[in-house]
Amino acid sequence: AQSVTQLGSHVSVSEGALVLLRCNYSSSVPPYLFWYVQYPNQGLQLLLKYTTGATLVKGINGFEAEFKKSETSFHLTKPSAHMSDAAEYFCAVPADRGSTLGRLYFGRGTQLTVWP
Amino acid sequence: DTAVSQTPKYLVTQMGNDKSIKCEQNLGHDTMYWYKQDSKKFLKIMFSYNNKELIINETVPNRFSPKSPDKAHLNLHINSLELGDSAVYFCASSQRDAGNTIYFGEGSWLTVV
Repeated sequence: AQSVTQLGSHVSVSEGALVLLRCNYSSSVPPYLFWYVQYPNQGLQLLLKYTTGATLVKGINGFEAEFKKSETSFHLTKPSAHMSDAAEYFCAVPADRGSTLGRLYFGRGTQLTVWP
Repeated sequence: DTAVSQTPKYLVTQMGNDKSIKCEQNLGHDTMYWYKQDSKKFLKIMFSYNNKELIINETVPNRFSPKSPDKAHLNLHINSLELGDSAVYFCASSQRDAGNTIYFGEGSWLTVV
């Protein structure tokens, strides 16, 4: 089964600073990878999605993620943090490789705090 | 024009009660899910239905029973609620064979007292 690991349960940055949220996937290259964002007391919103072949994926709200096979990573970045980016971020991968069941394995989440 | 909507958003109830959460999606998807988010924010799938057929049933107590009257609706009924059932329950949907992109509802915050 596929899985992801998010390094760092809490990340704090100043407004305007670079945001870097880390995600590593298990050994086999997944066909898809996702980043979701959860604002306080809200549901999960899709930020961006990786599909096989892409390396740099652009998402909403200025976020992007780079797929690096050599590092088994799919880190999420944003050049300049905004106060409104404060939220919980989840990396996710289809749990069943080659399956269309749609079961996602979520990382433990990273809480992003943005200081003024 | 909410894509995946679920009700109620907040639910506070006593132990031993039975409660239901309803979910509807207007995306035309053929697959719907229930995910549970625990107090540490860990998300785990509970059930999935494809065209009204149960296709994923994780290790969930029998007190939890999903029902899908049609492919746009998936309800979750919980019998004999326990303190440990307190969590956020997310409904979601996707189109099978379309890249596993899953769209989530706003969540239902269940508190059992």
